[in-house]
Amino acid sequence: QQQVKQSPQSLIVQKGGISIINCAYENTAFDYFPWYQQFPGKGPALLIAIRPDVSEKKEGRFTISFNKSAKQFSLHIMDSQPGDSATYFCAVGGGSNYKLTFGKGTLLTVNP
Amino acid sequence: ETGVTQSPTHLIKTRGQQVTLRCSSQSGHNTVSWYQQALGQGPQFIFQYYREEENGRGNFPPRFSGLQFPNYSSELNVNALELDDSALYLCASGGGASGRPNEQFFGPGTRLTVL
Repeated sequence: QQQVKQSPQSLIVQKGGISIINCAYENTAFDYFPWYQQFPGKGPALLIAIRPDVSEKKEGRFTISFNKSAKQFSLHIMDSQPGDSATYFCAVGGGSNYKLTFGKGTLLTVNP
Repeated sequence: ETGVTQSPTHLIKTRGQQVTLRCSSQSGHNTVSWYQQALGQGPQFIFQYYREEENGRGNFPPRFSGLQFPNYSSELNVNALELDDSALYLCASGGGASGRPNEQFFGPGTRLTVL
């Protein structure tokens, strides 16, 4: 059973546009929802994270929107830049061992 | 502040061999987790260590084992390597002084190839 479903699998956006990536989860016990950015040959880098007590969190050009009732959260990248081209992973966490369960990733390409 | 470091960067082994991967946690962190990332997939949780004890394990066989040392560095050992073990192995640290145990920071990974 896939606990985290991420979409789309790939996304192409023009420079200056808005990139939107979505995630849906099953288990309501999850209480930590991060997004990671990964460049080829590198480890994932924590981009932004949210907890279920808020519906939105913004850090610079990156915003997480969280819908607890729908068990969905999304990443919005405003004013997308070619340097944002990378693979983005959503993850869910919770419980005593702080394990993260990841989505399958979205390959974002921002064209100049 | 030094981030998470891993060694070696790349490793090539043959089927049936054993391998040890190493990780140094970010300063101030007291948990270390290991993940396996197959090509084109998201990282999959192998296990986590807290205060030198295993604190949760994913769906991996016992031939995957680990250690955490008093200085919070860690090792991942894999015995009887199989072709499907070829992947990027990621170490992540968190908790401790940050006060946010869920917040995990990844190292650059070790690329393991099994022939």
